[in-house]
Amino acid sequence: QSALTQPRSVSGSPGQSVTISCTGTSSDVGGYNYVSWYQQHPGKAPKLMIYDVTKRPSGVPDRFSGSKSGNTASLTISGLQAEDEADYYCCSYAGSYTSWIFGGGTKLTVL
Amino acid sequence: EVQLVQSGAEVKKPGESLRISCKGSGYSFTIYWITWVRQMPGKGLEWMGRIDPSDSYTTYSPSFQGHVTISADKSISTAYLQWSSLKASDTAMYYCARLSFLSSSNWFDPWGQGTLVTVSS
Repeated sequence: QSALTQPRSVSGSPGQSVTISCTGTSSDVGGYNYVSWYQQHPGKAPKLMIYDVTKRPSGVPDRFSGSKSGNTASLTISGLQAEDEADYYCCSYAGSYTSWIFGGGTKLTVL
Repeated sequence: EVQLVQSGAEVKKPGESLRISCKGSGYSFTIYWITWVRQMPGKGLEWMGRIDPSDSYTTYSPSFQGHVTISADKSISTAYLQWSSLKASDTAMYYCARLSFLSSSNWFDPWGQGTLVTVSS
């Protein structure tokens, strides 16, 4: 299984919106509504930001939202803030209770 | 508070064995699975495998099958990741996370703080 495809980097100014894409196949992203997104600051453990494509855990700001179309999922961050600068990873279930697959990660820079 | 606490950093030589741990607290340990994720230096996250602590049923990524063993002791709410013969290429940060696959919902949360494994001669 190959990693899901994410852009290596995205950037935006404070207050702007950015969208990070995550492209897979019909066997993972396109086949299940089990895409999640994780934020990782340098030297820290990943943190769950979005699950089941669109759901937001309690405590995660509503500036973060998720969506999916076909084999591509997306994470949108609106009203960018300096603390949003981090690496973001998508993850999808890939079937048979046996596997999950991550994206390669996207570095978000807040200009 | 739900949390996973991992064992401390390890420095090992090639060929040595190692077992690292992940202790859960603040929730019923046998209701959720535990998953392990590798992050090599400067690289992304890789899913390694998972265990159901209620019956110790495990599944592995094909990339890690046969190279590591995942186990759990539900009596002490602890999951383990072990190697029988380490290689330099096993140098990485290893994270455990609680994995939910209940009620048609799927997520990894929370994550342990990570265990850095360094393998060097």
